[in-house]
Amino acid sequence: AAGVIQSPRHLIKEKRETATLKCYPIPRHDTVYWYQQGPGQDPQFLISFYEKMQSDKGSIPDRFSAQQFSDYHSELNMSSLELGDSALYFCASSLRLAGEYYEQYFGPGTRLTVT
Amino acid sequence: QKEVEQNSGPLSVPEGAIASLNCTYSDRGSQSFFWYRQYSGKSPELIMSIYSNGDKEDGRFTAQLNKASQYVSLLIRDSQPSDSATYLCAVRSGYSTLTFGKGTMLLVSP
Repeated sequence: AAGVIQSPRHLIKEKRETATLKCYPIPRHDTVYWYQQGPGQDPQFLISFYEKMQSDKGSIPDRFSAQQFSDYHSELNMSSLELGDSALYFCASSLRLAGEYYEQYFGPGTRLTVT
Repeated sequence: QKEVEQNSGPLSVPEGAIASLNCTYSDRGSQSFFWYRQYSGKSPELIMSIYSNGDKEDGRFTAQLNKASQYVSLLIRDSQPSDSATYLCAVRSGYSTLTFGKGTMLLVSP
């Protein structure tokens, strides 16, 4: 079965640079979520989109922005990178039916290292 | 602040034994509950979802939910060394966002 696709899988950036992470949800899934997971930490919710509109917002820094496109893929844009942004970034997708959100399936993640 | 609590472990069990993982949550309005398995450096993998009180079985896994006690558990029967991983309890309250516990590390020894 098709899974969530994320690119790139690994990214190395310097402080103050920008980064763009991409996520392609499972086909027919209409909701995308972004999570950040630091070393030894649980995944922290950043932001989600349903039908190309922001649906929920978590602990996303103002330096980060995201959007969902007409083909349902999503991009997380990160600017003025800091050392503390080094983490695994996961995208998850789910289907919404009759107002209910169903299980979230995670992509393989992007490992971002800021030097 | 919605909280999900798990014992960090490690929980060590011998191969073939039953592993019991527990999770409590603070928001009484929580509607949906999930268990994810995460190997080191990999992404969370959904293994069970449960929405109503009682037990739900899927293969070697059984999820148990008690909303009155705000408690959800995962039992793994016939534990295998390949089950060694961190198990994340996740709770959804009213909307789409998942709140994760910090995970319990399970070690299954041959």
